[in-house]
Amino acid sequence: NAGVTQTPKFRILKIGQSMTLQCTQDMNHNYMYWYRQDPGMGLKLIYYSVGAGITDKGEVPNGYNVSRSTTEDFPLRLELAAPSQTSVYFCASSQPRQGARTYEQYFGPGTRLTVT
Amino acid sequence: EDQVTQSPEALRLQEGESSSLNCSYTVSGLRGLFWYRQDPGKGPEFLFTLYSAGEEKEKERLKATLTKKESFLHITAPKPEDSATYLCAVHNSGGSNYKLTFGKGTLLTVNP
Repeated sequence: NAGVTQTPKFRILKIGQSMTLQCTQDMNHNYMYWYRQDPGMGLKLIYYSVGAGITDKGEVPNGYNVSRSTTEDFPLRLELAAPSQTSVYFCASSQPRQGARTYEQYFGPGTRLTVT
Repeated sequence: EDQVTQSPEALRLQEGESSSLNCSYTVSGLRGLFWYRQDPGKGPEFLFTLYSAGEEKEKERLKATLTKKESFLHITAPKPEDSATYLCAVHNSGGSNYKLTFGKGTLLTVNP
């Protein structure tokens, strides 16, 4: 299993440009997440999905959009990039288990994005 | 609002010098507390889940413990390869099925 994969690893955008960060998981997990990690800060949830066709906002959704057409893929779209979106972006997935109180999330390697 | 505070922010140890990292949390009810390891330029790697006060889990040189207000990650006789940032996160029982609150992490450096 490759687990959670993300592309690209690095990207530099100019202000106002748009791009899509790709995320794929091969663990057949229903839940998927997008986080951003800024220096000295904890991971912040941007968007999440509990299954194909179902997405919802997290703590910091402004400036981002997502879609989930398959179980495996969960792309994150940045429209009109701004310097405040300079960050490291992580995709994660998890699978609820019957009777379990909670379940761990598995993370991809991240995409380092710079907006100048 | 859920809060997670990790201390110290950074810790430097000599190889073989045992120590502990702290994760203090405030939640209305705890479904679970997670520890992750994050190497530079990589994504967080899952280590442990703790569910109830008094619970302990071990993996190699790491042992995680949980009380009603905090968790400790004990590192026994660390090696340089244990150097990483260690993240703590909580899942609130009153919250949704998805939301974790993360601390800012402790950067551990183990010198040979």
